[in-house]
Amino acid sequence: KNEVEQSPQNLTAQEGEFITINCSYSVGISALHWLQQHPGGGIVSLFMLSSGKKKHGRLIATINIQEKHSSLHITASHPRDSAVYICAVSYELGGSQGNLIFGKGTKLSVKP
Amino acid sequence: NAGVMQNPRHLVRRRGQEARLRCSPMKGHSHVYWYRQLPEEGLKFMVYLQKENIIDESGMPKERFSAEFPKEGPSILRIQQVVRGDSAAYFCASSPLLSTEAFFGQGTRLTVV
Repeated sequence: KNEVEQSPQNLTAQEGEFITINCSYSVGISALHWLQQHPGGGIVSLFMLSSGKKKHGRLIATINIQEKHSSLHITASHPRDSAVYICAVSYELGGSQGNLIFGKGTKLSVKP
Repeated sequence: NAGVMQNPRHLVRRRGQEARLRCSPMKGHSHVYWYRQLPEEGLKFMVYLQKENIIDESGMPKERFSAEFPKEGPSILRIQQVVRGDSAAYFCASSPLLSTEAFFGQGTRLTVV
């Protein structure tokens, strides 16, 4: 069964803290996505990874293909980072491009 | 280059009515995907379309739901004879040819009363 598991489900942090959100998946993938959904509901694509590491501003995403695991890190967190962070994968077998399997999301709240 | 545009942002329909949700992909994008987010649940893939073709509809309910992406104009997700369980946020994403990177719209929140 193709599954995507995220942890933690909920995360509260103080402004300035380093944050890590984890994502694990069960079978080989063609790509892994990190998405951000704000309280207003819109979704923003943060990263798409198939190997290694990507960085954009204070956000860093890594993936370990052998361990089937990815992490999203936020450095120097800020209240405006408060959102739901969603991991999604497209699998090599049994799914077309865009047929993403989504994790349930991690709700992050950063307190000032 | 405008992002992926979805309209309406909010849609209220009575049980039994039809709902039509529109998605205009980013300029130059030929692939459109629809996803549904039920209350308190994660996102689920519904359908993947290219211009005038349905590529993968494995996530679409078998009845009442249909999708199209005509040669001209936006992609349409159509729900006939809506029921309360159809109340959800429906997101559209688009990508260019030969890319798995998807750009999401703001979503349409459908409420069935």
